[in-house]
Amino acid sequence: ELKVEQNPLFLSMQEGKNYTIYCNYSTTSDRLYWYRQDPGKSLESLFVLLSNGAVKQEGRLMASLDTKARLSTLHITAAVHDLSATYFCAVISNSNSGYALNFGKGTSLLVTP
Amino acid sequence: DGGITQSPKYLFRKEGQNVTLSCEQNLNHDAMYWYRQDPGQGLRLIYYSQIVNDFQKGDIAEGYSVSREKKESFPLTVTSAQKNPTAFYLCASSIAGGTYEQYFGPGTRLTVT
Repeated sequence: ELKVEQNPLFLSMQEGKNYTIYCNYSTTSDRLYWYRQDPGKSLESLFVLLSNGAVKQEGRLMASLDTKARLSTLHITAAVHDLSATYFCAVISNSNSGYALNFGKGTSLLVTP
Repeated sequence: DGGITQSPKYLFRKEGQNVTLSCEQNLNHDAMYWYRQDPGQGLRLIYYSQIVNDFQKGDIAEGYSVSREKKESFPLTVTSAQKNPTAFYLCASSIAGGTYEQYFGPGTRLTVT
């Protein structure tokens, strides 16, 4: 069974600070996805990482993938209040579930002044 | 505009009643998925379909049923056999191949009392 673990699950940080969210997964996969969810809303796709060493950046967020370590990171640079949301990583389990996503529990981020 | 629609946005039902949640997509995607989200949790897979007239159970299919009579539509029925149906239900679709990136609908919040 594919397990996806995120840490931390809760993160309160000051504006202007940097921080990293970690996503570990238990079996081989070369596709990892990061999503953002605002309260009461659906999921918005942030990054699609498709190979070992993949790095993608959008604004103050940068995601990377190390398939050998089964680890992805989401780095936040100079946080601003608008980044407050819950961030999920998800990994495809292609064995027998139609390429459905296996999600971590999410990291709830609060950026304070 | 291409996208995924879900209706209704909010749904209230009494215990013992079946209820059907709608999911429609005009992205021409082959694969469709239903996920359930509980407070503070990641998403869990209920059912998925990779092609019309075919669907498979996910991790938590008990108490749910689906149909896939058209490529665009993948309705989910929450039956009275589902013991804890109150949750946020998200429908997603993807191309069967390439990045396998999933796009999510806005969700239906179901409350059963």
